[in-house]
Amino acid sequence: NAGVMQNPRHLVRRRGQEARLRCSPMKGHSHVYWYRQLPEEGLKFMVYLQKENIIDESGMPKERFSAEFPKEGPSILRIQQVVRGDSAAYFCASSPALPAGTYTGELFFGEGSRLTVL
Amino acid sequence: DAKTTQPPSMDCAEGRAANLPCNHSTISGNEYVYWYRQIHSQGPQYIIHGLKNNETNEMASLIITEDRKSSTLILPHATLRDTAVYYCIVRVVNSGGSNYKLTFGKGTLLTVNP
Repeated sequence: NAGVMQNPRHLVRRRGQEARLRCSPMKGHSHVYWYRQLPEEGLKFMVYLQKENIIDESGMPKERFSAEFPKEGPSILRIQQVVRGDSAAYFCASSPALPAGTYTGELFFGEGSRLTVL
Repeated sequence: DAKTTQPPSMDCAEGRAANLPCNHSTISGNEYVYWYRQIHSQGPQYIIHGLKNNETNEMASLIITEDRKSSTLILPHATLRDTAVYYCIVRVVNSGGSNYKLTFGKGTLLTVNP
C-alpha cells in the first residue's frame, strides 16, 4: 500500500510568488492534516480537512494561506505571495474516519515538502 | 499547547535499552497516550499508543503508571538508527472535530551513541 504522498518534495520560490503543495492521502483515508515545521523548531498544526470540508483551521495564518481537499484529487496547501518566513517543511498526514475496523487513531505522515523562499 | 512534559534530550549507548519518560499529569480519562518519532528531516513515524494498560509492539514498549499521570517509552535494544526526536502526545480517539488532531510539543532528542 502506498503511503501518504507529497509533492513536490522540494520547492523554491521567489518572494511574492505562489506555492502549491499537494498531498495524496493513503488509500481509503478521508481525513487530511497539514503541519508546518520551521527550521530547528517543532511541528505546528495548521489545518484539518475532510473531503470538501475544513474541520479545523485554527493553526492557519490569517492571510495568504489556504487549504482544500476536493472530492476528487489531492489536498492542496496554497501559499500566496510567499515571504522568506514561509520557508519551512510542510508535512501532510492522513487517517481514516472513525470507526474503521481496527484503526486505533494514529495519523500517517508523508515525507514532507520543503519550501525555500529566496 | 501540548499537555505533556518531556526532557529535551537524552543519550543512550547502542544496544542498551532507552527509557524515555513523559509526564501528562492533566490527562483526562478518555485520552490516550501516543508516541511518535521524527528522524532528521523525515516525516513523523507512529510508534505506539495506550490508554491505561502497558503495551508492546515490534518497535517498543509503553509503560503507563497506574494513575496515568506519566508514562515511559522503552526501546529495548537501541540502535544508531533510533536517533530521533521522540514525541509524547495525549489525545482523545473516539471523538471528531478538533480533538482529532495531534498536538506536538518539543519532544526528547534521543541520541544513540556507538
